[in-house]
Amino acid sequence: EDQVTQSPEALRLQEGESSSLNCSYTVSGLRGLFWYRQDPGKGPEFLFTLYSAGEEKEKERLKATLTKKESFLHITAPKPEDSATYLCAVQSNNAGNMLTFGGGTRLMVKP
Amino acid sequence: KAGVTQTPRYLIKTRGQQVTLSCSPISGHRSVSWYQQTPGQGLQFLFEYFSETQRNKGNFPGRFSGRQFSNSRSEMNVSTLELGDSALYLCASSVTGTIKDTQYFGPGTRLTVL
Repeated sequence: EDQVTQSPEALRLQEGESSSLNCSYTVSGLRGLFWYRQDPGKGPEFLFTLYSAGEEKEKERLKATLTKKESFLHITAPKPEDSATYLCAVQSNNAGNMLTFGGGTRLMVKP
Repeated sequence: KAGVTQTPRYLIKTRGQQVTLSCSPISGHRSVSWYQQTPGQGLQFLFEYFSETQRNKGNFPGRFSGRQFSNSRSEMNVSTLELGDSALYLCASSVTGTIKDTQYFGPGTRLTVL
């Protein structure tokens, strides 16, 4: 059974204080690892997909990396508008299109 | 391009009733997946439809069902509602649901069961 664990559950940062969110996974054949951002009362917004260990992707202040057991979402010099819940999900080779999600990291960036 | 749309956005029902939720995927997307999100269990996969056929199913009771129409629009139905069915129901669409295909989520339908 595929499993995804995200840490920390909640993270408070000052504006400009860089940090990283962790996503550890166990999957029988990784097809893809996905990062989404979710604002309160809204659906998840797609950020990145990573397919193989060593892969990195960047978008503005966010950078996602992938190893064989975990993924990191690095946030550089965050702003208050980066406050949201960040969700990690995996897709495995034997589960079709199904995404298995972690519990999310709730990020709060204070000005 | 318009995103995934879901209707209604909010629903209040009582125990024992049934409910139907609707999802219109992004134009050109043929795969539609449904997820349930609760504070306790997080996001959990319900089922996926592609070309009007259920292609994959999560671990939910038979009270949860769905269907897809020829225009790729999808509906999910929950019968004999229970208090624990209160959740945000999310629909996601992708082009084909195959390798290297991204799922894009709608805003969700907030269901409250009293």
